[in-house]
Amino acid sequence: NAGVTQTPKFRVLKTGQSMTLLCAQDMNHEYMYWYRQDPGMGLRLIHYSVGEGTTAKGEVPDGYNVSRLKKQNFLLGLESAAPSQTSVYFCASRTSGSQETQYFGPGTRLLVL
Amino acid sequence: GENVEQHPSTLSVQEGDSAVIKCTYSDSASNYFPWYKQELGKRPQLIIDIRSNVGEKKDQRIAVTLNKTAKHFSLHITETQPEDSAVYFCAALASGGGADGLTFGKGTHLIIQP
Repeated sequence: NAGVTQTPKFRVLKTGQSMTLLCAQDMNHEYMYWYRQDPGMGLRLIHYSVGEGTTAKGEVPDGYNVSRLKKQNFLLGLESAAPSQTSVYFCASRTSGSQETQYFGPGTRLLVL
Repeated sequence: GENVEQHPSTLSVQEGDSAVIKCTYSDSASNYFPWYKQELGKRPQLIIDIRSNVGEKKDQRIAVTLNKTAKHFSLHITETQPEDSAVYFCAALASGGGADGLTFGKGTHLIIQP
């Protein structure tokens, strides 16, 4: 049982390049989330999904797209990376219903030059 | 949307003393309040949480209190130890109603002085 995993761990992009971050969970969780963490800002919600085939915007969705084609995977895409997207990205998941505890992945550190 | 304020941003205490971190929230619909501990370069780890139908919860040296009327909640760590040094985040969640996802405070860097 690996819990929540993220790939890659670290990536350097040039401005304008695209990439996809992958989050996978093996806990059969319904809900999945993408957050970004910047120094002094805490974690901010980018997008989330309450089930396979569904996605919704969070607090800071601009410049990102997501897809949830399979229940265990949640993909975060950057179509045209900008230096402002330099951050640490965390994925999280939880089961549905009254169990709100979110389990976080190890994070992806992204540097956009 | 929800707004969570967290204070102080840095807290330095002597080993063995108590530490208190305070948070306020704005959305009266919020009903779940977790606290996360994050060590440098690691993922946030849940240390304790409280739901809106409870006023206080304790787990060994850690306790959380919630005042729904005032919309604030606090983390209390007693008998602090060097391994308590980390960044602590409070968060709030208003589950249901179509929206989801935690709103985090900006974090408190807790330093335990030997």
